[in-house]
Amino acid sequence: DIQMTQSPSSLSVSVGDRVTITCRASQGIRNDVGWYQLKPGKAPKRLIYAASSLQSGVPSRFSGSRSGTEFTLTISSLQPEDFATYYCLQHNSYPFTFGPGTKVEIK
Amino acid sequence: QVQLQESGPGLVKPSQTLSLTCTVSGGSISSGSYYWSWIRQPAGKGLEWIGRIYTSGSTNYNPSLTSRVTISVDTSKNQFSLKLSSATAADTAVYYCARDDYYYGLDVWGQGTTVTVSS
Repeated sequence: DIQMTQSPSSLSVSVGDRVTITCRASQGIRNDVGWYQLKPGKAPKRLIYAASSLQSGVPSRFSGSRSGTEFTLTISSLQPEDFATYYCLQHNSYPFTFGPGTKVEIK
Repeated sequence: QVQLQESGPGLVKPSQTLSLTCTVSGGSISSGSYYWSWIRQPAGKGLEWIGRIYTSGSTNYNPSLTSRVTISVDTSKNQFSLKLSSATAADTAVYYCARDDYYYGLDVWGQGTTVTVSS
């Protein structure tokens, strides 16, 4: 299985802060990565697909990038509604695998 | 706007079969190049991809579950289903269904349903 190593596991930040979350794949997976936002009781929301493409309707403060097997989600200026848990997903090889998640909390 | 909704028993006894259905609304389950996936999340843990199905009936399963899992589709009802046999407490989780774009991965998810395996 392809392992997705995600860091940090948690972040304590303030509104307006810049947030960077990283996932590293255990082998090459091209651009086959998505980033998801999960909140309790709500449907998970895809933010980024194909490593760096912004999902329609998602605010432009979210962005994604790739360098080799390292994938990054950046929130340029954190808003109150962005406090949530974020996951990366690789869909290049079976079984699809998720990173362990990053919980973004209010400082 | 496609929407997905999971349904099924919230409580399953150990050794029984866990059965869930995902109803697709706002579009046909047969349209486009989409697979239909199941994912789960045990309380306090991460997400696990269970498997997916194409409307032709072709399936892909997580090897960790393949001996116990069956995913099927009913295009006449615009639904797809999950069956997980020989359930144990380790199968207690929130179960999500999702649409899977072949090229770009899971794009639309249901809200999730909690299943507890307990006597």
